[in-house]
Amino acid sequence: QQQVKQSPQSLIVQKGGIPIINCAYENTAFDYFPWYQQFPGKGPALLIAIRPDVSEKKEGRFTISFNKSAKQFSLHIMDSQPGDSATYFCAAGSSGNTPLVFGKGTRLSVIA
Amino acid sequence: EAGVVQSPRYKIIEKKQPVAFWCNPISGHNTLYWYRQNLGQGPELLIRYENEEAVDDSQLPKDRFSAERLKGVDSTLKIQPAELGDSAVYLCASSLEGLGEQYFGPGTRLTVT
Repeated sequence: QQQVKQSPQSLIVQKGGIPIINCAYENTAFDYFPWYQQFPGKGPALLIAIRPDVSEKKEGRFTISFNKSAKQFSLHIMDSQPGDSATYFCAAGSSGNTPLVFGKGTRLSVIA
Repeated sequence: EAGVVQSPRYKIIEKKQPVAFWCNPISGHNTLYWYRQNLGQGPELLIRYENEEAVDDSQLPKDRFSAERLKGVDSTLKIQPAELGDSAVYLCASSLEGLGEQYFGPGTRLTVT
């Protein structure tokens, strides 16, 4: 049973565009929603995370939007650059005893 | 500060052979995770340690997989015997405590032929 559904599977944007990656979760006990960035041959790196007490969090060019009622959250990358080309994973977990569950990933390509 | 260290980075073995992966977490991190990442998929948790205790191993195929974290620092994940379907990247991660922010190592890419 997949508890976190991520879309799209792949995404191509022009440099300067704003790619948006969406995730939906099922388990209402989840209260921690991180996004990870992974380059080929590397492990996932924590990018930004949000907890459900806020609807939006921004760190640099990366923004998470969170909709608790819809059980959805999304990642926006402002002014995207070719160096942002990577695979992005959303995840969900609980500060209780539920480990992180990852989405299947979105392969982003930013073309100049 | 050094990140999570894993070795080897790559391993090619024939099916039915044993294999072991090693992980050294970030200094001071009490929680250690082993994940398996299949091609084109997100990481899937195999086992989680709090110090030297395995607190979540429900997804670990115990008939062939085993893990240990002696002294609550380094950890080893073993597969014996390996099967073709075990080909994947095995990731180790650590966090300061509980289910906090996780930091991943570079992974070990296993190919079983």
